[in-house]
Amino acid sequence: EVQLVQSGAEVKKPGDSLKISCKGSGYRFTSYWIGWVRQMPGKGLEWMGIIYPGDSDTRYSPSFQGQVTISADKSINTAYLEWSSLKASDTAIYYCARKDYWNELRYWGQGTLVTVSS
Amino acid sequence: QSVLTQPPSVSGAPGQRVTIPCTGSSSNIGPNYDVHWYQQLPGIAPKLLIYANDNRPSGVPDRFSASKSGTSASLAITGLQAEDEADYYCQSYDSSLNGLFVFGTGTKVTVL
Repeated sequence: EVQLVQSGAEVKKPGDSLKISCKGSGYRFTSYWIGWVRQMPGKGLEWMGIIYPGDSDTRYSPSFQGQVTISADKSINTAYLEWSSLKASDTAIYYCARKDYWNELRYWGQGTLVTVSS
Repeated sequence: QSVLTQPPSVSGAPGQRVTIPCTGSSSNIGPNYDVHWYQQLPGIAPKLLIYANDNRPSGVPDRFSASKSGTSASLAITGLQAEDEADYYCQSYDSSLNGLFVFGTGTKVTVL
């Protein structure tokens, strides 16, 4: 069974750094792209970027380029989303999802709630 | 950021048929890129509902169907049920975005 399990909720202060994770299981982790999606409170889904764990090829949506870093450690089947300096506007639920053959996001993580507040 | 436009809300009585349009452009839906649809129930991660324009994953009821024409796509729900009350999003590839993909603005379906 394919599963994507994300790390738990985080509460941080503005200026803090943060790295959240997404661990894949039940499939060959290095053979599928993993994408990240933001959902701000009460808002829609926003595409952030995507990584191919096999060679760490990474693409960012223009809105998120330079704002976050996407990475992966294929030795432990885990993808990451990282901030170096959080802002209150980063408060959101972040989902990871696996991109499949037709470019659909077939499997999703449960989401990680990130709250940034002073 | 969204370049796929959906109506904010649609509603219908139980048993009725509702449709959700998704309007794109020549850089996404238009040039033969596939459209996918997701259902998001309150407080839960999105779930793939339709892939590659008109295909249902295993387990998705045949009350859900979709189509694509030109630079637009549409999701239809027939025999509307209370459990269908959720947010629905379309998604496609966009050749103008380095980040590859784009979501629709989302539509809230309310069962009256």
